[in-house]
Amino acid sequence: DADVTQTPRNRITKTGKRIMLECSQTKGHDRMYWYRQDPGLGLRLIYYSFDVKDINKGEISDGYSVSRQAQAKFSLSLESAIPNQTALYFCATSDGPGNQPQHFGDGTRLSIL
Amino acid sequence: EDKVVQSPLSLVVHEGDTVTLNCSYEVTNFRSLLWYKQEKKAPTFLFMLTSSGIEKKSGRLSSILDKKELFSILNITATQTGDSAIYLCAGRGSTLGRLYFGRGTQLTVWP
Repeated sequence: DADVTQTPRNRITKTGKRIMLECSQTKGHDRMYWYRQDPGLGLRLIYYSFDVKDINKGEISDGYSVSRQAQAKFSLSLESAIPNQTALYFCATSDGPGNQPQHFGDGTRLSIL
Repeated sequence: EDKVVQSPLSLVVHEGDTVTLNCSYEVTNFRSLLWYKQEKKAPTFLFMLTSSGIEKKSGRLSSILDKKELFSILNITATQTGDSAIYLCAGRGSTLGRLYFGRGTQLTVWP
């Protein structure tokens, strides 16, 4: 089983719909992150959380919200999806505190029509 | 503003060639530089560099950091088709441990 699991793997939806992407991890890491990846733009940070009570905005948080339901679960919501939110979304975790690498899930490919 | 710049953005080589991927960074309170390989799915961790001049090596891949000139390189020798991927570089500052990613280098290795 994967250490970082994202669901769904693929999603196609319409403009204006509310969408939730989920991430769960079995690594026991405190820190969790949501990124989006667009072709040629690398990974951009949406939100991150260092524990259940800690939520922080990343560089592109507008139009998104998150919930850290438990240490192992971190979900990303698009309240009213728009086409320019079409992207590949990654969840990542890292052990903290400390200078540790982040470990990524396999991604959710989201298309908004 | 923190940023990481990778070059080239795209590279096509033949099997057996040696390639060098470049990463320059401007990260406040810099702590480490990380390299990832991304094939069809999740980026997978390759190296983390924290000290200048100390080479990290794994098989045909190696990487080194220059903290004075603010850059890192990733070398791949005797490339194989399985090395085809996007290689991502990321800098970490001390502020909350965030990673700042470059745009990646798309490496294509032809047989």
